[in-house]
Amino acid sequence: EEQLLESGGGLVQPGGSLRLSCTASGFIFSDCAMSWVRQAPGKGLEWVSSISGSGGKSYFADSVKGRFTMSRDNSNNTVYLQMNSLRVEDTAVYYCAEAPTPIVGSTTFFRRWGQGTLVTVSS
Amino acid sequence: SYELTQPPSVSVSPGQTARITCSGSALPRQYAYWYQQKTGQAPVLVIYKDTERPSGIPARFYGSTSGTTVTLSIIAAQAEDEADYYCQSADSSGTLVFGGGTKLTVL
Repeated sequence: EEQLLESGGGLVQPGGSLRLSCTASGFIFSDCAMSWVRQAPGKGLEWVSSISGSGGKSYFADSVKGRFTMSRDNSNNTVYLQMNSLRVEDTAVYYCAEAPTPIVGSTTFFRRWGQGTLVTVSS
Repeated sequence: SYELTQPPSVSVSPGQTARITCSGSALPRQYAYWYQQKTGQAPVLVIYKDTERPSGIPARFYGSTSGTTVTLSIIAAQAEDEADYYCQSADSSGTLVFGGGTKLTVL
């Protein structure tokens, strides 16, 4: 069974850092681009970032560009989101999501989703 | 920045067809995707590439497209279809974007 399991969420002060992890199982990890999508409390979905199957290319929403980085370890079926200079408005549930192709582009979509991990940025 | 516009809410009676629209200027050139999110749960893909249905999604979920608008239709909607629905696509530069979401009420 295909599964995505996020971890690493928690409470952090504004300006702080946090690293999220997402471990996959049940499919060929390197064949799939991976993404992070977030949802602020009571709000809609927002695409955050995506990384190609090889890990060679990553893409970010303007709202996090320059503060967040994304990486992956295909030997351990894990993708990471390093979040620096966190702001109150970054408070959200962060979902890991898998795409059916290794290339990130305009046809990227989110075939499977994890259950999410909550990040709270507050003093 | 590019936007996908959805109605905030749609309401139907059980057995009726629910139609949820999503409008965007790039939709004639970009595929649209639809996700269902029930309260407290992760989203689930229900339509991809405008009209395709993933395995395991009931046949009553139907996607269509016309010009700058794509539509998710739920034929003979059931109480279990109550959820938030989001469309997703990309702008002309390939940046991924979601619509604001539509709350479907079946009662």
